[in-house]
Amino acid sequence: AQKITQTQPGMFVQEKEAVTLDCTYDTSDPSYGLFWYKQPSSGEMIFLIYQGSYDQQNATEGRYSLNFQKARKSANLVISASQLGDSAMYFCAMSPRGGYQKVTFGTGTKLQVIP
Amino acid sequence: SQTIHQWPATLVQPVGSPLSLECTVEGTSNPNLYWYRQAAGRGLQLLFYSVGIGQISSEVPQNLSASRPQDRQFILSSKKLLLSDSGFYLCAWIFRTGIGYGYTFGSGTRLTVV
Repeated sequence: AQKITQTQPGMFVQEKEAVTLDCTYDTSDPSYGLFWYKQPSSGEMIFLIYQGSYDQQNATEGRYSLNFQKARKSANLVISASQLGDSAMYFCAMSPRGGYQKVTFGTGTKLQVIP
Repeated sequence: SQTIHQWPATLVQPVGSPLSLECTVEGTSNPNLYWYRQAAGRGLQLLFYSVGIGQISSEVPQNLSASRPQDRQFILSSKKLLLSDSGFYLCAWIFRTGIGYGYTFGSGTRLTVV
């Protein structure tokens, strides 16, 4: 069974500063994928970044980077230079190899960017 | 380009009434499709997924059912809605990125059962 834990229900960050959203996971699968999604108040789920368990380098997408520490089973999302539009719910998720079956989501972290 | 359409955006239905939510995908063939539900202020729960026409896997026992009548069409249904069926329903499909896979979600349907 897979489990995703996001221990920060809510966070505040000053505009233009960096913020780290925590995510730890547990799985018995030898290979898996890790995702982060952003959900603004409109409800849509926006795919941000993906990390494969065998990827040697941390994934980056613009201002988003995934700090992947396999031994610690953590996949934290780092947002650099926060913007007001970054205020949203953020979900960490994981899937077994291939992603064809169940994707497990965390409970989310609500990020609020303060001007 | 690939797009995913989901409708309606909002729906208010009385208890005991039927439900039909539709999801269609464009620009891809034989996609893996998923239905998720999000209760207010909570994470996402996978309800059903489908790897092809007529192939449905159910994740949780419930008042809902799903069907895949066509390759790019995925339908979520209920014969009689319960109050507990209220929530935000999202359809999703999987796509291949350069280094792995990602999920694209539809815009969602906010269902309120009254």
